Amino acid sequence: ETGVTQTPRHLVMGMTNKKSLKCEQHLGHNAMYWYKQSAKKPLELMFVYSLEERVENNSVPSRFSPECPNSSHLFLHLHTLQPEDSALYLCASSPEYSSVTDTQYFGPGTRLTVL
Amino acid sequence: AQSVTQLDSHVSVSEGTPVLLRCNYSSSYSPSLFWYVQHPNKGLQLLLKYTSAATLVKGINGFEAEFKKSETSFHLTKPSAHMSDAAEYFCVVRGSGTASKLTFGTGTRLQVTL
Repeated sequence: ETGVTQTPRHLVMGMTNKKSLKCEQHLGHNAMYWYKQSAKKPLELMFVYSLEERVENNSVPSRFSPECPNSSHLFLHLHTLQPEDSALYLCASSPEYSSVTDTQYFGPGTRLTVL
Repeated sequence: AQSVTQLDSHVSVSEGTPVLLRCNYSSSYSPSLFWYVQHPNKGLQLLLKYTSAATLVKGINGFEAEFKKSETSFHLTKPSAHMSDAAEYFCVVRGSGTASKLTFGTGTRLQVTL
């Protein structure tokens, strides 16, 4: 179905916990993305990596910390989150960051609930 | 700057009848336009995309969309709805000025009834 996988699929955490979301793409793409999808709001782009280098950080609070150790893997480290951070976190990849016409391929998402 | 407006948050059709999901966009540059579908508990899947070639774009599962520059629209259609089409649909615009930044609409939930 899709070459982008995300784990875990569901996560419940307290505000003082530290957890990480993992994304892996098997498509040979060079660009990877984190999005936040909240109810009744458009998808929000959080971070973009191109060839393991962060190229976009869209005013995301420091309690979200991304990491891209190689072009196939992307992590989102979470600490001291707030209840309003509860959302579906989607990972995506595309062949190149700079191509206007490239399609982004999405993973199934991690449903995060912060208590 | 770019934006996209999905004119209906919810559309309900009967199985076998046509589907029309409306999308208007605004972009300072020649845009690329996409429609994605999201089924419950799934990620987004590309239905089709327009990238300045043919204005009538055919996608998967019988969907198509027509780029109309004069109307700044990119409506999604399907001649005959199927129960499996029930999902959330997102219209997305990307302008050439900010290469990979996608701007998403708020989504249209399609309900298909018997």
